[in-house]
This record gives sequence, structure tokens and C-alpha cells, in this order.
Amino acid sequence: GAVVSQHPSWVICKSGTSVKIECRSLDFQATTMFWYRQFPKQSLMLMATSNEGSKATYEQGVEKDKFLINHASLTLSTLTVTSAHPEDSSFYICSARVPHSNTGELFFGEGSRLTVL
Amino acid sequence: DQQVKQNSPSLSVQEGRISILNCDYTNSMFDYFLWYKKYPAEGPTFLISISSIKDKNEDGRFTVFLNKSAKHLSLHIVPSQPGDSAVYFCAASLHSGAGSYQLTFGKGTKLSVIP
Repeated sequence: GAVVSQHPSWVICKSGTSVKIECRSLDFQATTMFWYRQFPKQSLMLMATSNEGSKATYEQGVEKDKFLINHASLTLSTLTVTSAHPEDSSFYICSARVPHSNTGELFFGEGSRLTVL
Repeated sequence: DQQVKQNSPSLSVQEGRISILNCDYTNSMFDYFLWYKKYPAEGPTFLISISSIKDKNEDGRFTVFLNKSAKHLSLHIVPSQPGDSAVYFCAASLHSGAGSYQLTFGKGTKLSVIP
């Protein structure tokens, strides 16, 4: 079946550095990918919708200059957390729509745990 | 305003018994409801869904019930197994036209199945 893969799974960085997370659809093309963030004991919060070949659409309250999204191909979207700070530490999860789904079902990546020191 | 609510943050059930996870929603325009299962440090995996025009969908040990008048759905797991221990997210889907959907998630319920 279709799989969405994220890399890296874990990343620790110093405050002020930038971190890139990759999201790949492995056996299908995804014109749209979604980036979520999950805080402990909280729901999955949609950060942005990544559109292949065009600008990402950010949810209210998400800084687009802070969280740079690039979707340069039909199988790859990247999220770059720029000038990361400890409050950016979180679990970031990407997803892509299941092809031909009429339910809105998503395939999720494995998630990336970011810890900013 | 939270459109999808899972009011029980946690639930403990004895192995072999039935687990019932509840979810309430406020938007009557949602057209599909989905349940996802999530283990720690992993992404969610799809479990089961139900169309808003149905009231029950069954898949093996998992059954989802939908009560539209009450804007309530529940996931039943029977018999519960220790491997079912995870966080379960309820999600509601809204078709916003031209093949575009929006998923809204609840906060999740942590299920612990005790051997």
C-alpha cells in the first residue's frame, strides 16, 4: 500500500540553528501534503498545506518565515524550522491524501521529534 | 472552538473486554468520520471510517457507530488486546469542493489494555 516516509525521526539541535525535515510519498504522487505538529497530550494541529509547484498555505498563527515549506516534486515536501528555539521542540508529522480517497483519509509519516537545546 | 471532541483523555480496559472510545462533534457538515491509532513516537495509522449517511461500520474487532442526531460517534474494540494500547484519534472530514478535504482531529484518548 501507499506509504509516507519522514526523515529524520529524531533530531537535536542548538538554539538558533535551522533544521530540515523531509517527507516522501514512496509509491504514489502527492500533489498535496500536510504538515502537522503535536504537543504532548494534545491533538494533531495542522500547520500548513504543501502544494507541489506553488506556495504552501499556512494555518492561522503559523509563521511562514519560521516554518519554510518546499514541495518541489510530486513525491517530496520539506519543512525547515528556521532559527529554531526551545519552544519549537515538538513532534512534527507529515501526511498525504490517500489516492482516490473520497473520505479525506490521510497516510501519515512516522513523525520527526525535534528537540532544540 | 473545538469541532471534534474526545472528552476522555484516557481509558483502561481489561484484556478480552470491550473498549468504547467516544467522540463528539459540532459541525453537521462533516461527511466522513475516521479513527486513527497512534503509538508513541510514530505517526498515526488509519483504523476505520464511516460515512455520515451510515450508522455502523464494522471491520473485524473494530466497529464504529454514528449517531447523527446526537453528533456522536464511538469506536468499539472487542475483544480488547494488549496490542491495542495506544492513543486513538477521532477525525472528521469535510469535503470543501474540487476534491479538497479538510480533516479535523480530536485530542485523542489513550487506551490501556491491561493483560
